[in-house]
Amino acid sequence: DIQMTQSPSSLSASVGDRVTITCRASQSITSSLNWYQQKPGRAPKLLIYAASTLQSGVPSRFSGSGSGTDFTLTISSLQPEDFATYYCQQRYSIPWTFGQGTKVEIK
Amino acid sequence: QLQLQESGPGLVKPSETLSLTCTVSGGSISSSSYYWGWIRQPPGKGLEWIGSIYYGGITYYNPSLKSRVTISVDTSKNQFSLKLSSVTAADTAVYYCARVAAVTDDPLDIWGLGTRVTVSS
Repeated sequence: DIQMTQSPSSLSASVGDRVTITCRASQSITSSLNWYQQKPGRAPKLLIYAASTLQSGVPSRFSGSGSGTDFTLTISSLQPEDFATYYCQQRYSIPWTFGQGTKVEIK
Repeated sequence: QLQLQESGPGLVKPSETLSLTCTVSGGSISSSSYYWGWIRQPPGKGLEWIGSIYYGGITYYNPSLKSRVTISVDTSKNQFSLKLSSVTAADTAVYYCARVAAVTDDPLDIWGLGTRVTVSS
């Protein structure tokens, strides 16, 4: 299985901050990487697919980059509604696997 | 707007079979532009992909669960289902059904609300 490792596991940030979350794959997954946001008690929501394509309806402050083994999710200006847990997911090979999550908390 | 809704027992006894159904509303389950999947999340933990069913009934399962999992589609009811046999406490989780968009990198673009399943005697 391809292991997905996110860093940090949690972070504290203020409204307006630029936030970057990293996801590293245990082997190359080309650009087969998706990002999700999950709020407590809610289902995950797709933010970005194919490493850098913004899902329809997702604010442009979210962006993704990377290829191979290293990927980043960036929130350019953190908003109150962005406090949540973020997961990366690879679909390069079966089984599809998720990172352990990065919890973004209010500073 | 397409919506997914999971249904099934919230409590299953150890060694029994967990059976869940996902009802798709607001769109057809038979579209070749999408396929369908199940994901679970144990309490306080991360997400685990269980498996997916493609147009035409082709299935792919997580090897860690493959011997116990069956995913099927009932197009007449616009539903797809998950069966997980020989459950243990480790199968306690929130179970989500999701639509998979048949575009680059097959993102899980619409999710159900999730249903909590507890395995306990």
